[in-house]
Amino acid sequence: AIQMTQSPSSLSASVGDRVTIACRASQGIRSDLGWYQQKPGKAPKLLIYAASTLQSGVPSRFSGSGSGTDFTLTISCLQPEDFATYFCLQDYNYPRTFGQGTKVEI
Amino acid sequence: EVQLVESGGGLVQPGGSLRLSCAVSGFTFSSYWMSWVRQTPGKGLEWVANIKEGGSEKNYVDSVKGRFTISRDNTKKSLYLQMNSLRVEDTAVYYCARDNSYFWLGSYYDAFDFWGQGTVVTVSS
Repeated sequence: AIQMTQSPSSLSASVGDRVTIACRASQGIRSDLGWYQQKPGKAPKLLIYAASTLQSGVPSRFSGSGSGTDFTLTISCLQPEDFATYFCLQDYNYPRTFGQGTKVEI
Repeated sequence: EVQLVESGGGLVQPGGSLRLSCAVSGFTFSSYWMSWVRQTPGKGLEWVANIKEGGSEKNYVDSVKGRFTISRDNTKKSLYLQMNSLRVEDTAVYYCARDNSYFWLGSYYDAFDFWGQGTVVTVSS
């Protein structure tokens, strides 16, 4: 199975900060990667698919980049509602595998 | 409005069985692949299984192969997960999710665009 490694596992930030989260695949996965946001007690929410395509309704301060093995999620100007945990997910092959998550805290 | 509602979770002893259900509304259920995803504090999110629109194709993570069976009833707009020979390590919140396929720049990409609220499965003696 493809291993997805996120970094950092957690980070502290302030409202207005630019935040970057990395995700590395153990083998090339083209652009078959999505990013999800999860808040406590809630299901994950799709933010980005195909590595860089914003899901409908997601604010433009979220962006994704990368292909092959290295990917990045960027939040350009952190808002209070963005404090959450973020996961990457590869859909290149089965089994689908998630990164371990990055918790964005104040 | 798209809604997915899981049910069937609970406390079960190791070796026991449980059947999860996911009732959907707000979209044409028979037109989408569907998945089960589970989450534990220790292992994070883990994709468990998915099933094609008509039920003819199914995929599983290795850890549940031979023990779990995913199925669907398109007439009832429902997804199921039959879990047998349950182990302590199957303890998790189980989510059903719509497994959407996006066509973008000449290729298809899959993503879970709608999720249920989750149902808790606890395997313990």
